[in-house]
Amino acid sequence: SQTIHQWPATLVQPVGSPLSLECTVEGTSNPNLYWYRQAAGRGLQLLFYSVGIGQISSEVPQNLSASRPQDRQFILSSKKLLLSDSGFYLCAWSGGKETQYFGPGTRLLVL
Amino acid sequence: AQSVTQPDIHITVSEGASLELRCNYSYGATPYLFWYVQSPGQGLQLLLKYFSGDTLVQGIKGFEAEFKRSQSSFNLRKPSVHWSDAAEYFCAVGGGSNYKLTFGKGTLLTVNP
Repeated sequence: SQTIHQWPATLVQPVGSPLSLECTVEGTSNPNLYWYRQAAGRGLQLLFYSVGIGQISSEVPQNLSASRPQDRQFILSSKKLLLSDSGFYLCAWSGGKETQYFGPGTRLLVL
Repeated sequence: AQSVTQPDIHITVSEGASLELRCNYSYGATPYLFWYVQSPGQGLQLLLKYFSGDTLVQGIKGFEAEFKRSQSSFNLRKPSVHWSDAAEYFCAVGGGSNYKLTFGKGTLLTVNP
């Protein structure tokens, strides 16, 4: 069966520091991968999605970037964190255009 | 553009009571519709989905949802709520050539003993 992992689970970072969040999927090949950010009362905001290695689509211009160095690995990065980057970050995968399955999330607090 | 509206931000029900969470969507083609549940600090878990066929779909944990095209709705129901159902519920729409899902802002469910 398929499994999706995210780490770290929790992260506290100072403003201006870099960021790297990792997401990996097991048990499937060539998944579509997604990064979302969830802020209280605002639902889920799609940040990036990828349909293959090296293929990244950005949904919202911002301080973040994403990369997909391997088929089942999706990384969310920032060179300099802002206070507004705080939130709950969720990675998801899908086998096509349909159902998305979510990881456990990373809680990021920027101080 | 696709959109999802969940009109109720917060709903409180008593344990054992019935539940209906509302979801209205806007989508230019035949939609794929989803309900997810999220416990505090956790990821989203898929409850059920609708792609085509029977408009009443059954999901996990005793939930069901009904697709009503004429009303652009996909409401989630459960006949008898358990305390463990307390969580936040998200409706989402997607489909066709679109790889993306659009989520509603969620409905927080509180269950009183």
